[in-house]
Amino acid sequence: AQTVTQSQPEMSVQEAETVTLSCTYDTSENNYYLFWYKQPPSRQMILVIRQEAYKQQNATENRFSVNFQKAAKSFSLKISDSQLGDTAMYFCAFMRPNSGNTPLVFGKGTRLSVIA
Amino acid sequence: KAGVTQTPRYLIKTRGQQVTLSCSPISGHRSVSWYQQTPGQGLQFLFEYFSETQRNKGNFPGRFSGRQFSNSRSEMNVSTLELGDSALYLCASRPTGATDTQYFGPGTRLTVL
Repeated sequence: AQTVTQSQPEMSVQEAETVTLSCTYDTSENNYYLFWYKQPPSRQMILVIRQEAYKQQNATENRFSVNFQKAAKSFSLKISDSQLGDTAMYFCAFMRPNSGNTPLVFGKGTRLSVIA
Repeated sequence: KAGVTQTPRYLIKTRGQQVTLSCSPISGHRSVSWYQQTPGQGLQFLFEYFSETQRNKGNFPGRFSGRQFSNSRSEMNVSTLELGDSALYLCASRPTGATDTQYFGPGTRLTVL
């Protein structure tokens, strides 16, 4: 079974600074998908970024980027120019793309606080 | 497009009762998944429905069940509620394919007293 580990339960960063959240996963699959989701205090889970394992290029979405190291099974999220609205729980998630049998497997989350 | 909607947003029940939660997916999405979120266990997969058929199920007791209607709306039911069922229940939808990204609703907060 796949597992996802987020080793940092809590982190904080000053506004406008850069922060990196760590995620490692365990799988024997070669093809899979990785995600970062953000859950603000309002509870709505929002997709931040998605990475396909077969793509070597790291995904980016505006201020959010990932460092995907397939051999090391590492998938970290970098947030640049942190904003107060980035304060949230961040979940790393794994998905195995077999036909129709693909629930998300989540890590325990990292609580990020952006400080003014 | 409107996002995933879940009703009700909050529920308070007592042990032994049963509860039904509802989820309306994004228009055009045919797959609906349910997850339970608790502080201790984190996010755990309950089940997924596609075209009115359950196509995957997580490791939860039979008290947890669900169904999907022809319009893709889904309901989940929990019978004989236990204190440990208190959680945030999240619904997620995706278009069709196994590689599609899942989009989440705001959740239903269930408290069992």
